[in-house]
Amino acid sequence: QVQLVESGGGVVQPGRSLRLSCAASGFTFSSYGMHWVRQAPGKGLEWVAVIWYDGSNKYYEDSVKGRFTISRDNSKNTLYLQMKSLRAEDTAVYYCARDLYGPLDQLHAFDIWGQGTMVTVSS
Amino acid sequence: SSELTQDPAVSVALGQTVRITCQGDSLRSYYASWYQQKPGQAPVLVIYGKNNRPSGIPDRFSGSSSGNTASLTITGAQAEDEADYYCNSRDSSGNHHYVFGTGTKVTVL
Repeated sequence: QVQLVESGGGVVQPGRSLRLSCAASGFTFSSYGMHWVRQAPGKGLEWVAVIWYDGSNKYYEDSVKGRFTISRDNSKNTLYLQMKSLRAEDTAVYYCARDLYGPLDQLHAFDIWGQGTMVTVSS
Repeated sequence: SSELTQDPAVSVALGQTVRITCQGDSLRSYYASWYQQKPGQAPVLVIYGKNNRPSGIPDRFSGSSSGNTASLTITGAQAEDEADYYCNSRDSSGNHHYVFGTGTKVTVL
């Protein structure tokens, strides 16, 4: 069964750090690019970051660049999001998602999503 | 960076047809993908590429594109289709970013 399971969310004070994990199963994790997407309460979806299948390239949405780091351990089938200097506006449900296509393909789709993990930044 | 604009809300009578549109410059270069999200649930891919449906998605969902506009059509809407729908594409700025539409709430009457 193809599955993504996020963990690591919680309540954290502004300025502190948190690391999210996304455990993949049921597919060859090392063959797919992976993304983090977030959704603030009552708001729409926002793309956060992508890492290529081999970890060779990483790209970030402008508001998190320099504060968040996406990484992966293909030996453990796990995706990570290290978040530093957290702000109230980072409060959201964070989803990991698989990219059906390669990073240079014309096509793109998030075909598998995790259930999400909630991050609340509050004092 | 690119932006994708959707109508905030549309309604459709049970069994009728509704079209949801998504506009943005990136759609001149890349196909949109479409996601259905019900309250408290993760998004689900419903359409990608020219007009492809993942396994398990009913054939009443279809996609099309012209110029800077992508469309998702639900033909014969069912009560279970009531949800938020988001379009998404690669950013055409060459920055390897991705962008989501603003979302459309579909109400089935």
